[in-house]
Amino acid sequence: QKEVEQNSGPLSVPEGAIASLNCTYSDRGSQSFFWYRQYSGKSPELIMSIYSNGDKEDGRFTAQLNKASQYVSLLIRDSQPSDSATYLCAVRNTGNQFYFGTGTSLTVIP
Amino acid sequence: EAGVAQSPRYKIIEKRQSVAFWCNPISGHATLYWYQQILGQGPKLLIQFQNNGVVDDSQLPKDRFSAERLKGVDSTLKIQPAKLEDSAVYLCASSYPTGRGYTFGSGTRLTVV
Repeated sequence: QKEVEQNSGPLSVPEGAIASLNCTYSDRGSQSFFWYRQYSGKSPELIMSIYSNGDKEDGRFTAQLNKASQYVSLLIRDSQPSDSATYLCAVRNTGNQFYFGTGTSLTVIP
Repeated sequence: EAGVAQSPRYKIIEKRQSVAFWCNPISGHATLYWYQQILGQGPKLLIQFQNNGVVDDSQLPKDRFSAERLKGVDSTLKIQPAKLEDSAVYLCASSYPTGRGYTFGSGTRLTVV
């Protein structure tokens, strides 16, 4: 079982819609969770971090964490074409190791 | 604040040759990471330094890869000898010790032919 799993997509949504990205992790004791955005040919860029159950909002982005279900999600409201990228979920496990998922490719259609 | 600096940006070598990558982290960031990202995959941690000590190198292929951070600031990652499957982007990242997410450099794209 992989440490972090994501649906690779591709996920396509129309401009203005809500994009929903999901991630599950295997180490139940993990405490820190991150979402990175990676444009083609560029390095990953941190967009959200979350450490406790519930929702965390930052502008059009909302990260949701459910530790009981070992599930992290990222919602992007009012999706824009500039949001088209690969979104990477990362988890810091109980061994203080960082693991990334394989990423979900998102395309926002104008 | 200046970002994480990496060089070179691109490198093409033949298999069995050696190659080295350099990284200078953000000033004050004690933790430095080297990641390998193969096309279509997420980044895979190769080695993590805290100051000049190794915290985690469990996924570093030590028969051919080596890394050092002698003065606790910049770092080099070396591959010797390179294999075709080493073709990837090598990303360096740094953070404060709390590790609340970190900043990546622009990466070095390695092609082994």
